Amino acid sequence: LAKTTQPISMDSYEGQEVNITCSHNNIATNDYITWYQQFPSQGPRFIIQGYKTKVTNEVASLFIPADRKSSTLSLPRVSLSDTAVYYCLVAAAYNNNDMRFGAGTRLTVKP
Amino acid sequence: EPEVTQTPSHQVTQMGQEVILRCVPISNHLYFYWYRQILGQKVEFLVSFYNNEISEKSEIFDDQFSVERPDGSNFTLKIRSTKLEDSAMYFCASSGALAGGLSSYNEQFFGPGTRLTVL
Repeated sequence: LAKTTQPISMDSYEGQEVNITCSHNNIATNDYITWYQQFPSQGPRFIIQGYKTKVTNEVASLFIPADRKSSTLSLPRVSLSDTAVYYCLVAAAYNNNDMRFGAGTRLTVKP
Repeated sequence: EPEVTQTPSHQVTQMGQEVILRCVPISNHLYFYWYRQILGQKVEFLVSFYNNEISEKSEIFDDQFSVERPDGSNFTLKIRSTKLEDSAMYFCASSGALAGGLSSYNEQFFGPGTRLTVL
């Protein structure tokens, strides 16, 4: 399993763009990068998944450089409701068992 | 939108008692999971279940724990002889829509959790 490293916490202000970077130096060829969000007292919620280059959906963008040893989750124009813990996971493609949550990044959005 | 449901939302039990946590996964999903999260700590994988058998389990999932899919809709986690350190939030998740589904293959859908308090 590829180990991931991400900052323990980040602070931001409403309306700013937030970028959370995750390192996964030993990512394998078949691994995908997935980000989850967790609000207090709720289960994690899928945000975005990618393999390489850039992926964008209605919530976030995911930037993955060519070497795939890191990835950056970008949240445009955050609001107070984006305050949550964000987890970066690396999992083998088509292997639904192969996911482990790290400590995550606790994002606090201030007014 | 389909969702994973869990019951009860909060379970209080005495140390040494058995508890059963219940989950109803999304109906066309094939893979089922249990996780736990001790207050203030990270989400920890317990077990995954596919085709009516355990496909993977963590070192946490010892003989005290068991899972079952008793019918076509429910997925249960049984904890025998609960200990104080079993107090945590337990999350059920499901994934793996049938071919042609819209979800990303590895996307796991989590339920709202059951808060287990062992006294």
